[in-house]
Amino acid sequence: AQSVTQPDIHITVSEGASLELRCNYSYGATPYLFWYVQSPGQGLQLLLKYFSGDTLVQGIKGFEAEFKRSQSSFNLRKPSVHWSDAAEYFCAVDAPGGGNKLTFGTGTQLKVEL
Amino acid sequence: DAMVIQNPRYQVTQFGKPVTLSCSQTLNHNVMYWYQQKSSQAPKLLFHYYDKDFNNEADTPDNFQSRRPNTSFCFLDIRSPGLGDAAMYLCATSIYNEQFFGPGTRLTVL
Repeated sequence: AQSVTQPDIHITVSEGASLELRCNYSYGATPYLFWYVQSPGQGLQLLLKYFSGDTLVQGIKGFEAEFKRSQSSFNLRKPSVHWSDAAEYFCAVDAPGGGNKLTFGTGTQLKVEL
Repeated sequence: DAMVIQNPRYQVTQFGKPVTLSCSQTLNHNVMYWYQQKSSQAPKLLFHYYDKDFNNEADTPDNFQSRRPNTSFCFLDIRSPGLGDAAMYLCATSIYNEQFFGPGTRLTVL
């Protein structure tokens, strides 16, 4: 069965600093990969996705992620964090041909210090 | 704007009193999902519909039922809510392997 690991439960960064959120997956082949963001009391918003092709993916709100097959990783990055980025971030995978069912990581709570 | 709408946003029910949560979409997507998300946890898939075909996750309690009368609407019925069913319930739709989420319904069980 596929699984997703987000090793950092909480991360605190200063506004303007760079950010990297880690995500590792376990799956026999390359799954479809996603990053979602959730603000308190809200639903999930898709930041970016990777299906195939260029391993560096650009998303909304200035986020990007890099797929590294050798490390089974899909880390999320942002060069300069804004206070409004404070939220919970979920990495998710979907096995191709698996019926469009997402498996989520446990999430990383991002706090931004002003 | 095309979207996924969930009503109500906040629902309070009593222990054992049936409750229904609703989801509608204007995206015309053929796949719809219900997730349960407890505090500080990842969303957990309860079931999903591919058109009218219902797919239940193996560990979804029998207390949870769903109906999809047409493409646009999907309902989550909790027949006898327990305190452990207090959670955020998220509805999502899907097309081309991408899921679109509604804002969620926060369920409180007293």
